[in-house]
Amino acid sequence: AQSVTQPDIHITVSEGASLELRCNYSYGATPYLFWYVQSPGQGLQLLLKYFSGDTLVQGIKGFEAEFKRSQSSFNLRKPSVHWSDAAEYFCAVGANAGNNRKLIWGLGTSLAVNP
Amino acid sequence: EAQVTQNPRYLITVTGKKLTVTCSQNMNHEYMSWYRQDPGLGLRQIYYSMNVEVTDKGDVPEGYKVSRKEKRNFPLILESPSPNQTSLYFCASKQGTNEKLFFGSGTQLSVL
Repeated sequence: AQSVTQPDIHITVSEGASLELRCNYSYGATPYLFWYVQSPGQGLQLLLKYFSGDTLVQGIKGFEAEFKRSQSSFNLRKPSVHWSDAAEYFCAVGANAGNNRKLIWGLGTSLAVNP
Repeated sequence: EAQVTQNPRYLITVTGKKLTVTCSQNMNHEYMSWYRQDPGLGLRQIYYSMNVEVTDKGDVPEGYKVSRKEKRNFPLILESPSPNQTSLYFCASKQGTNEKLFFGSGTQLSVL
């Protein structure tokens, strides 16, 4: 079955520290992978996506993610976290379900940033 | 500005009182979808629409209705709300096979 696992429910980092949020997926075919961010009281916004090609993808707000097929992972990274990065982060895989190109969502990782 | 607009942002109602949450997008997107977000359950798709007059069930459609009479609008209807429909609801849209979903700001619904 298709699934997305975000092992860390909650992470706290200090401002300026590096960040890595983990995402593991289970999907039979070549996956389309996404990271979305949800700031408090807001809808979700796309950070970056991987469809094919270079396995290291760059996104908005200084984020990047690396697709590792052998590990079924798509971890999100940022070299230096800012206080404004405190938010909920969701990993998702694009899956075909009939005529519905839907997203299978992870349960999210809540990021807190200490000053 | 490209956006998905949901209304209302907050809604408190009582069991059985019909309600509609509106969703409108100004990007001429063909695909629209409704999700609900619950703690520990993540985002679950309720209904989706591939185009005008084309709607289909998502993962958790029970207790909900939708319609797509115009391309820009995709209202979510709860004919007889129940407390287990208390949740945060999001409308989203995208264009064709472009996987980037645009989300509304959400509607926090409480059914008493």
